[in-house]
Amino acid sequence: TQLLEQSPQFLSIQEGENLTVYCNSSSVFSSLQWYRQEPGEGPVLLVTVVTGGEVKKLKRLTFQFGDARKDSSLHITAAQPGDTGLYLCAGPNQAGTALIFGKGTTLSVSS
Amino acid sequence: DTAVSQTPKYLVTQMGNDKSIKCEQNLGHDTMYWYKQDSKKFLKIMFSYNNKELIINETVPNRFSPKSPDKAHLNLHINSLELGDSAVYFCASSQGGAGGTRTQYFGPGTRLLVL
Repeated sequence: TQLLEQSPQFLSIQEGENLTVYCNSSSVFSSLQWYRQEPGEGPVLLVTVVTGGEVKKLKRLTFQFGDARKDSSLHITAAQPGDTGLYLCAGPNQAGTALIFGKGTTLSVSS
Repeated sequence: DTAVSQTPKYLVTQMGNDKSIKCEQNLGHDTMYWYKQDSKKFLKIMFSYNNKELIINETVPNRFSPKSPDKAHLNLHINSLELGDSAVYFCASSQGGAGGTRTQYFGPGTRLLVL
């Protein structure tokens, strides 16, 4: 069974701090995605990583895919209150017919 | 114009009732999904449809019956609602299934509370 473990589950920080969220699995994934979900809304895709070792940057967010394609991380530099939300990592099941999600990291950034 | 829409947004009902949730996407995608998000925010696939055909049924009780009248619509009917069915149900769509660089677009969710 493919599982994605996310850590930490909750993160509460001050504006301006840096943070890293981890997404780990014992299974190899062909790609991993990061979604962000705000209260009362559905998840919205932030990024897709497909190549082992790949690093992608989206403004203050840096995403990395592990060399073995079993893990990924999301690093936020100088967090802002607007970054508050639920961050979900997801990867396709082996058949490529649906996404498997991690249990999410709830981030709260206070000013 | 909303890409993936769901109705209703909130649904409060009594145990034992039957209810339906509707989903429509205007993105021209060929694949639609139903996900369930529990109280701990864990999102899990329930059903996947490709071109109106059922692809995945992830050990969901047969009280849940999806129906796809066309590629743009995927409805979810739930019979004999139970307390444990309380959750947020998300509809999503994508072109060509999951994986690779395909993006899934999610609706705003339907918050179901069974009393």
